[in-house]
Amino acid sequence: GAVVSQHPSRVICKSGTSVKIECRSLDFQATTMFWYRQFPKKSLMLMATSNEGSKATYEQGVEKDKFLINHASLTLSTLTVTSAHPEDSSFYICSARDPLAGGAETQYFGPGTRLLVL
Amino acid sequence: AQSVTQLGSHVSVSEGALVLLRCNYSSSVPPYLFWYVQYPNQGLQLLLKYTSAATLVKGINGFEAEFKKSETSFHLTKPSAHMRDAAEYFCAVTRGGADGLTFGKGTHLIIQP
Repeated sequence: GAVVSQHPSRVICKSGTSVKIECRSLDFQATTMFWYRQFPKKSLMLMATSNEGSKATYEQGVEKDKFLINHASLTLSTLTVTSAHPEDSSFYICSARDPLAGGAETQYFGPGTRLLVL
Repeated sequence: AQSVTQLGSHVSVSEGALVLLRCNYSSSVPPYLFWYVQYPNQGLQLLLKYTSAATLVKGINGFEAEFKKSETSFHLTKPSAHMRDAAEYFCAVTRGGADGLTFGKGTHLIIQP
């Protein structure tokens, strides 16, 4: 149980284009999902908290107009990197809380999406 | 505000030796603490967690961690290292609820044959 998937696993795009990353909870309903960014050989930084049916909450320093988050259902959150630039290249990982298993505080992580902007 | 400090960006041990990865935290409220493992180009796998029950927490793959409030520590140990334990290990803290995780910088565990 508590499986989270991400799609795509890897994407290469041209500078100026937009890229959408999907995060799905496969066997549970996630009212809250989280998006993290990991730079090479660095730790994970929380970007935003995605709440089903409401606006995402962004961490300080994260541009909400650049990183659009939509949590349209209890099993799907999407992160769209708009007008991507090379500095947006990174590993993006989502997580989800399953309040019915493992405790409300436990987050289960997706496998990550490697974004390369040329 | 919360923070996590992992001492040692790299730890090298011999196969069969004790593994000790250090984590100290700072939290204004009773924390939930986690250890995650990450293999190359993969997401994070939960090893174990502390949620205010037992202070000695047992996890998967033979790992365990002890919560010491007086030392604000949550060190990860394994009695005998195996080659497959080579990976990046992250300690993390949260207040729970809708809060995300605050991660330490990670410790790269190297297992020498």
